[in-house]
Amino acid sequence: KQEVTQIPAALSVPEGENLVLNCSFTDSAIYNLQWFRQDPGKGLTSLLLIQSSQREQTSGRLNASLDKSSGRSTLYIAASQPGDSATYLCAVPSSGGSYIPTFGRGTSLIVHP
Amino acid sequence: NAGVTQTPKFRVLKTGQSMTLLCAQDMNHEYMYWYRQDPGMGLRLIHYSVGEGTTAKGEVPDGYNVSRLKKQNFLLGLESAAPSQTSVYFCASSYFRVNSPLHFGNGTRLTVT
Repeated sequence: KQEVTQIPAALSVPEGENLVLNCSFTDSAIYNLQWFRQDPGKGLTSLLLIQSSQREQTSGRLNASLDKSSGRSTLYIAASQPGDSATYLCAVPSSGGSYIPTFGRGTSLIVHP
Repeated sequence: NAGVTQTPKFRVLKTGQSMTLLCAQDMNHEYMYWYRQDPGMGLRLIHYSVGEGTTAKGEVPDGYNVSRLKKQNFLLGLESAAPSQTSVYFCASSYFRVNSPLHFGNGTRLTVT
């Protein structure tokens, strides 16, 4: 059974800092790894998807890397802003069967001015 | 393009009452999922569907039933609500492809008293 862990559970930083959020998973047989953002009281918004054959994906100030062999992914946020405050979740659909994503519990990020 | 739409947004039930949550997607996705999100527990899969007319159990299916009579709709039913089913319910959908991200609805906040 796939297990997904996110560290840290919570993070509070001043504006402008570069951040690294971590996601680890136990089963390396995956279709892809997805990072999501969730604002309070809202649904999840897809940020980045890294296919299992890829090493990283970039979107604006966000960069996600994937090391499938070690079961790890990192989400790098450059020059953080107060608007980045949200919960960030990673999800991993295990391969070899149905496309069923398992989620980590998320990292709650606060960026203060 | 509405994406994934969930109705209702909020609902309060008394113990023993029944209700149906509706999820509709307009992206022709094969896969649809129902998750519940609870504080400290993350997102847990209740049921999912890989296509019209098919459903399968997820991690926490007890007390819930689902139906997918049309490809675009996925219904989640509570036959006899219990306080333990107080939660935020999210519907998601995707293609079955390695580069297909999950798309989420905005959630239904259900309280059972």
